[in-house]
Amino acid sequence: QLQLQESGPGLVKPSETLSLTCTVSGGSISSSSYYWGWIRQPPGKGLEWIGSIYYSGNTYYNPSLKSRVTISVDTSKNQFSLKLSSVTAADTAVFYCARREFGSTWLPFDYWGQGILVTVSS
Amino acid sequence: EIVLTQSPGTLSLSPGERATLSCRASQSVSRNYLAWFQQKPGQAPRLLIYGASSRATGVPDRFSGSGSGTDFTLTISRLEPEDFAVYYCQQYGNSPPHTFGGGTKVEIK
Repeated sequence: QLQLQESGPGLVKPSETLSLTCTVSGGSISSSSYYWGWIRQPPGKGLEWIGSIYYSGNTYYNPSLKSRVTISVDTSKNQFSLKLSSVTAADTAVFYCARREFGSTWLPFDYWGQGILVTVSS
Repeated sequence: EIVLTQSPGTLSLSPGERATLSCRASQSVSRNYLAWFQQKPGQAPRLLIYGASSRATGVPDRFSGSGSGTDFTLTISRLEPEDFAVYYCQQYGNSPPHTFGGGTKVEIK
């Protein structure tokens, strides 16, 4: 059974860089059939797609965050990571990692991590 | 960017009733790449419907999706106690950003 697990600091200071890692177990991140993504959800609010990455390193980002976001992959560790720079209180959210499948057709995120709350505060 | 507008914001219904949730897109969703997710408090979203009308693995058949272009609907034929949650639509076509709607909360009346 595929599992995704987010990890990283739960508290980040304003203006610093938020760094999270998603560890994939029960499957290979290097599979040619999947993209891996990050989604966030501010407390009590809706979902926002941040960006996605392929095992080869191909990425695409939400234009609203693109200047501050970097997503990378480490196939040797079966992990992918998120960096969000110059954070403010508005970046406080639960961050989810997830998987989506593609082939002759695209599918949405079907496996999600449990989420990790990151608070931006001094 | 495609903006998804969900309505109503809150739906107050009793168990056994039918729920009809709407998701309207600001422009046509390519290839009907429209998904519905269910989210309960403290949990990650769960995929219910993809391709506007295909049920994900393990999703009960009381959940159904319909629509095309810019207008989509999620229907829960008979609400079970475990169905009271927040529902989000998302367009996931090959042109990012893959936006989500603002959500509809289905609450017990």
